[in-house]
Order: sequence, then C-alpha cells, then structure tokens
Amino acid sequence: ETGVTQTPRHLVMGMTNKKSLKCEQHLGHNAMYWYKQSAKKPLELMFVYSLEERVENNSVPSRFSPECPNSSHLFLHLHTLQPEDSALYLCASSPDRGRNTGELFFGEGSRLTVL
Amino acid sequence: LAKTTQPISMDSYEGQEVNITCSHNNIATNDYITWYQQFPSQGPRFIIQGYKTKVTNEVASLFIPADRKSSTLSLPRVSLSDTAVYYCLVGDMDTGRRALTFGSGTRLQVQP
Repeated sequence: ETGVTQTPRHLVMGMTNKKSLKCEQHLGHNAMYWYKQSAKKPLELMFVYSLEERVENNSVPSRFSPECPNSSHLFLHLHTLQPEDSALYLCASSPDRGRNTGELFFGEGSRLTVL
Repeated sequence: LAKTTQPISMDSYEGQEVNITCSHNNIATNDYITWYQQFPSQGPRFIIQGYKTKVTNEVASLFIPADRKSSTLSLPRVSLSDTAVYYCLVGDMDTGRRALTFGSGTRLQVQP
C-alpha cells in the first residue's frame, strides 16, 4: 500500500467510448503525475500537476484530458482512443516542499486495453 | 535532465550480492540520484536516494564517487523476489514542478 489508489485497475474500451481513470492520494502531497507505460518501453511522463495547476504537458494528444480538482485527486479522461494507446497508466504523487529531491509514490496502475 | 545509462539486464543467484551501476556524466550540482524498483504490472517503488558518498537503508546501499558521474546500487543477498526492473534517475524536482524521467532500466533476474 503506497497511499496512492488508482481505479479501475483494468479497463477495456472501444475506440468510440469515453472513460476516465481516477487517482487518489492519501499522503498530503501537493504534486501529482500521470505516466504511461507501454509494453517493453520506459515510463513516459504525460502530465504534471502542482498545487492543482498543470505545470507540464509532454505533448500528449488531446484525446487524453487530465483534471485535478484538488491536491488529492487526479483524473485522466479518455475519448476516441486508438489501439496503440493500450498501456499501463500510472499515477504518482510527491511532496511539494520547495526542495523536492525526487521521491515519487506510485499507484498500482490502470491497465487499459483499447479495442 | 541528466541522461542515465545502465545495463539492460543482469542475472544473479539467490544469496549473492548484486551491484548495478548507472552512468550519469552530465549530472548537475543540484541533482540527486534516485533508484526505483518495478515489478510487472505495478508502479515503481522508491528504493534509495543519495547525493554523494554512501547511503544505506534496510533494503540497499548506494555508492556515489566523488565526481558523481556514476552511482552503484548494491543489493545484499538477493532473493527470487528481487527479480524486477531497477531504474536509476537523476534530477532535482525543484518544488515538485519537474518530474524525473525514467530510462529503460536494468532487468534483474535472480535464479534459485
């Protein structure tokens, strides 16, 4: 138990569906992240939120839409995805304490399959 | 962000000490060195972090030479459950607004 909970753990969707991934952290952290991990590839950073403000967007297609309503919750809204978007989507959080030395706390991930 | 280079894979046997070395020639003054462990279909898990010299915790040791251009993660007496991918990351998250970039990692296979 890392203190970061992701739901659902598994999701199968068609290319025309709209779904959302949810992440909740119980650690009192102020920064949250979405990473994507495709088969046999390194983790790719998608979005970074700090104090509920998006501070980084790594050229992610618009079919992925993040939302951070407060510092404890992070969503990834999905629509008109492609089969190549099938991957493990990982949420992480970190303290935002001015001199953050880099410890990320990851959730278990949401395994997404796009048919 | 400093680029890291580590072996793609390593093999070991139960009970042995495993040392995984990571090269980071362009490390900056403010950068810390962090190692993560990842099991299949799970998120990475923090192992250890250091800035210079040696750091030890209940899981591993991290050796960093004076020039900080490399680091070595040492896992004492590995077991089958240590089979995983190990990532070396270098960076300064600077108020949490920049996340660390993961490389390809080192896939450690522990045999009985």
